Amino acid sequence: DIVMTQSPDSLAVSLGERAAINCKSSQSVLHSSNNENYLAWYQQKPGQPPKLLIYWASTRESGVPDRFSGSGSATDFTLTVSSLQAEDVAIYYCQQYYTTPLTFGGGTKVEIK
Amino acid sequence: QVQVVESGGAVVQPGGSLRLSCAASGFTFSNHGMHWVRQAPGRGLEWVAYIRYDGGNKYYSESVKGRFTISRDNSKNTLYLEIYNLRPEDTALYYCARDPRVGATFPPAWLGPWGQGTLVTVSS
Repeated sequence: DIVMTQSPDSLAVSLGERAAINCKSSQSVLHSSNNENYLAWYQQKPGQPPKLLIYWASTRESGVPDRFSGSGSATDFTLTVSSLQAEDVAIYYCQQYYTTPLTFGGGTKVEIK
Repeated sequence: QVQVVESGGAVVQPGGSLRLSCAASGFTFSNHGMHWVRQAPGRGLEWVAYIRYDGGNKYYSESVKGRFTISRDNSKNTLYLEIYNLRPEDTALYYCARDPRVGATFPPAWLGPWGQGTLVTVSS
């Protein structure tokens, strides 16, 4: 199985400041056939189900604010919130779909400083 | 709007069985693959199973293979998860989620939207 490791486990950021979450896969999720990274990001607010933010490592889901962006390739990825808002307090998960079983990172909790 | 609603969760004794359901609305259910994902209390996300839009392919995590069966009834817009020989470690909130791709014949990918989940508790 591909192991997804997120860092940090938690971070506190001031309103309006930048938050960056890292995700590392135990093997490359870059597919040579289409040069795509098989990686998605989700946001889970307290008491709610996860919500898809990004797929193909950097493609924003429809309706997701453009302050959310994804970057990286192969084994190292980053989700960046460019200007943190109060409603962004949540746990964020990365997920690989390069192969089954699909696997998620352990999550990163984002709070307001 | 696109919506999936899970039901069927319960408190079950170890060794028991259960069938979870997921009712879909707001989209053409028969065009989309569907997932089950679970989240133990206070823990992260664990993908459980996926079924292709036409039921033609099914995928399972190793931890549930042989005990869980995913199925669907496209005439009823409903996804199912049958769980057998329940163990305490199966205690979790079980989510169903849509594969956003239409008619995808490729292996499972990303998930969205997700339902609110249905709680399965395995305890004697």
